[in-house]
Formats: sequence, C-alpha cells, structure tokens
Amino acid sequence: GESVGLHLPTLSVQEGDNSIINCAYSNSASDYFIWYKQESGKGPQFIIDIRSNMDKRQGQRVTVLLNKTVKHLSLQIAATQPGDSAVYFCAENEGSDYKLSFGAGTTVTVRA
Amino acid sequence: SAVISQKPSRDICQRGTSLTIQCQVDSQVTMMFWYRQQPGQSLTLIATANQGSEATYESGFVIDKFPISRPNLTFSTLTVSNMSPEDSSIYLCSALGKAPSYNEQFFGPGTRLTVL
Repeated sequence: GESVGLHLPTLSVQEGDNSIINCAYSNSASDYFIWYKQESGKGPQFIIDIRSNMDKRQGQRVTVLLNKTVKHLSLQIAATQPGDSAVYFCAENEGSDYKLSFGAGTTVTVRA
Repeated sequence: SAVISQKPSRDICQRGTSLTIQCQVDSQVTMMFWYRQQPGQSLTLIATANQGSEATYESGFVIDKFPISRPNLTFSTLTVSNMSPEDSSIYLCSALGKAPSYNEQFFGPGTRLTVL
C-alpha cells in the first residue's frame, strides 16, 4: 500500500492497493473524530467516526486509527477502487456541541 | 440518516446584492449548521442554526452579513448579504442524524455561489 507523510494534499494510489490518509489535529481536548469523503460537486459524505476512548475502529473496507499521544488520525482504505477517488477530510469535535473543525483535506486519485 | 436538499444549487450574483439559500431536511433534526467552503479549501463553520432562537455564530462571522433563520426542525435559511467577490464559495448546510446515527452529521449537496 501507499501512504502519505503527516499530511500531503494529494495521494495517487494504484487500484487494488491499500491507501493510508493521515491527519494531524491540534486540539488535545477533542474527543470525537470523523472522516468524510467529498466527491466533486457533492457535499461531504460520512465515512467513519471514532471517539477518544478508542484507538481503532473498523468499517467496511475502512479503518480509522487514533493516536492521542501525538494527536494523529489516519484512515486506511483496503483494496482501493476507482470510486474511492475523492477529497478526504478529517474533522474533530470537542464536547457536546457537535461543531466540527475540518482538516485541510487530501485528494485521492486511483490509477487503473 | 437524514437526506438534505439545498436551493439553489448554484447562482451567479452581482456585488452588493443578497442571496438566500434554503436547506430542507427530510425529517426532524435537533441541530443544523451552516458551513462555507472556499474554492479548493476545507470547510469552515459559519454558525449553528437554532430552532426558535438566534443563530450562534463562529468567530469571524456576524449576523448582519449572514442572517440565518430556522423556523422549524426541518428547515433553515442562510442569507449572504451585500455580497462581494470574496463571498464566492460553496455554502453547505448540515444536520445531526437521529438514533442510532445521532452523532453523525449529514451534509447537503451545497450551493455554489459566484459573485461578480
């Protein structure tokens, strides 16, 4: 699989490979984290979330890892498909107000 | 999940005019939000639309520029007032889901605004 460094704005992945998208967050008090996928011309689509009392959560073909020590979040996509091409955003929230702070986003392009 | 629609989907406006964007949710939701996404950028929260009371604005956003209404639990509007080219952005509304997805925030498709 391919991975980015701490954060890069683009990621090119071969179809069938695994993707890893990274995100650094700044608020140590954040206790809820979400990954969104945004395709061109559409609003963000919820992928997976994780609370600060967990360090890993799995969904369908996706896994989110949370490292609170270094304030780092990652999204792993297994067997990347052309339909996974999109911009991926991490978002964080502190407390119960549900207000989200979004990261800068990573554009994922899947090569056939 | 909640299905959210927005009107208009896009518009081109002259500077100095105002545009009202509508957001409709297919079910009653507790919380609704408005975000701005400038071209090629991430999303920034404008305000929380409160039902029956004034919206709560984030730093850098004021009611005179972005008045918001929320008359009921399924509908909200955002007005972009006295527009300038710097207001050219995508404006998105979102809503908090219902159980068991009550932590999930669902987004509308966005309104793409261009100010000339």
